[in-house]
Amino acid sequence: EDQVTQSPEALRLQEGESSSLNCSYTVSGLRGLFWYRQDPGKGPEFLFTLYSAGEEKEKERLKATLTKKESFLHITAPKPEDSATYLCAVQVGAGGGADGLTFGKGTHLIIQP
Amino acid sequence: DTAVSQTPKYLVTQMGNDKSIKCEQNLGHDTMYWYKQDSKKFLKIMFSYNNKELIINETVPNRFSPKSPDKAHLNLHINSLELGDSAVYFCASSQSLRPGDEQFFGPGTRLTVL
Repeated sequence: EDQVTQSPEALRLQEGESSSLNCSYTVSGLRGLFWYRQDPGKGPEFLFTLYSAGEEKEKERLKATLTKKESFLHITAPKPEDSATYLCAVQVGAGGGADGLTFGKGTHLIIQP
Repeated sequence: DTAVSQTPKYLVTQMGNDKSIKCEQNLGHDTMYWYKQDSKKFLKIMFSYNNKELIINETVPNRFSPKSPDKAHLNLHINSLELGDSAVYFCASSQSLRPGDEQFFGPGTRLTVL
């Protein structure tokens, strides 16, 4: 069974204190690994897609990396507005067909001013 | 300008009733999905549709039925509602069947069954 595990479940940081969120996965036929941000009362908002080990993507203070077993979301010098739940998801399949995403339970990030 | 919209945003109903949630996307996407987020915030795929055809149907009760009048709309009908159906339901869409196509999510519908 495909599994996605995120850690930590919750993380509280001071403004400017950099850290990393982890997403480990055990799937067969990975077609893509996604990072989303979810604010309270809203739908997930797309951040990144990673396709293969060694790939990295950046957006403002966020950087996502991928290995064969896990992905990291690095947050550099975070600001209070980065507070949210960060979700990791995988898309699996043998090709063809529209595959839904398998999500982890998320990391609830709080950035204190 | 809303890319993926859902109605209603909140739905409170009695056990045993039948209800529907509507979803529309104005992105011109070919594929739409329904997800369920339970009380523990765990987001799980329920259905997906591509060009009005059901592509995957996870192990959800047959009381849940997706209906797509056209490729811009995917509605979710729920019969004989149960307490355990209380959750937030999200609609999403993606451009095509290409691996890695990002999915755009709607704002969610919070369903409460009393």
